[in-house]
Amino acid sequence: GAGVSQSPSNKVTEKGKDVELRCDPISGHTALYWYRQSLGQGLEFLIYFQGNSAPDKSGLPSDRFSAERTGGSVSTLTIQRTQQEDSAVYLCATNSQSSPSGANVLTFGAGSRLTVL
Amino acid sequence: LAKTTQPISMDSYEGQEVNITCSHNNIATNDYITWYQQFPSQGPRFIIQGYKTKVTNEVASLFIPADRKSSTLSLPRVSLSDTAVYYCLVGDGFDMRFGAGTRLTVKP
Repeated sequence: GAGVSQSPSNKVTEKGKDVELRCDPISGHTALYWYRQSLGQGLEFLIYFQGNSAPDKSGLPSDRFSAERTGGSVSTLTIQRTQQEDSAVYLCATNSQSSPSGANVLTFGAGSRLTVL
Repeated sequence: LAKTTQPISMDSYEGQEVNITCSHNNIATNDYITWYQQFPSQGPRFIIQGYKTKVTNEVASLFIPADRKSSTLSLPRVSLSDTAVYYCLVGDGFDMRFGAGTRLTVKP
């Protein structure tokens, strides 16, 4: 697609439920990143995919968080047994060599706002 | 990964030039310096990127001294719509961890 698409845009869930957040990247972009942004805070790195593999999962905050990517395209971030502190905006970004400098730059989706009651 | 340090916040007035400096003392040879802008309720968006010296585009200029241990984002003649958080990101294009950013508030 023309941009990075994330769904759902808003999700309200009850504590203890599982949620899935989806990221549809720009076609041809091989690197994909997930970030979490709590209200008024900066971007917290969660995980990075190169193709279907995740060389760096170090940012996942607990074993309740997992992510996968299939076909080098769509990625899903799953949060199991959600807690209130999981409430945040989850942002997906893909990486392209589109800068005149020649290095990669990120293009972000609009994010998925998760509220855990 | 080069750690970055930016001022937490800055205030300016419409029409002024704003300079935001980012320190990155342990920048590596392969690292580029990239700045992003984030408005409320939106994902960050790319502003400018450089490796050394000066880069200018239609939005901003980026000044990088010879030792590359810092960089300065320059926004000419800011308007109210430039109120946003600005992030400096230093890396090789794959390790993309953001710092806290600088919250710029432009006043009338």
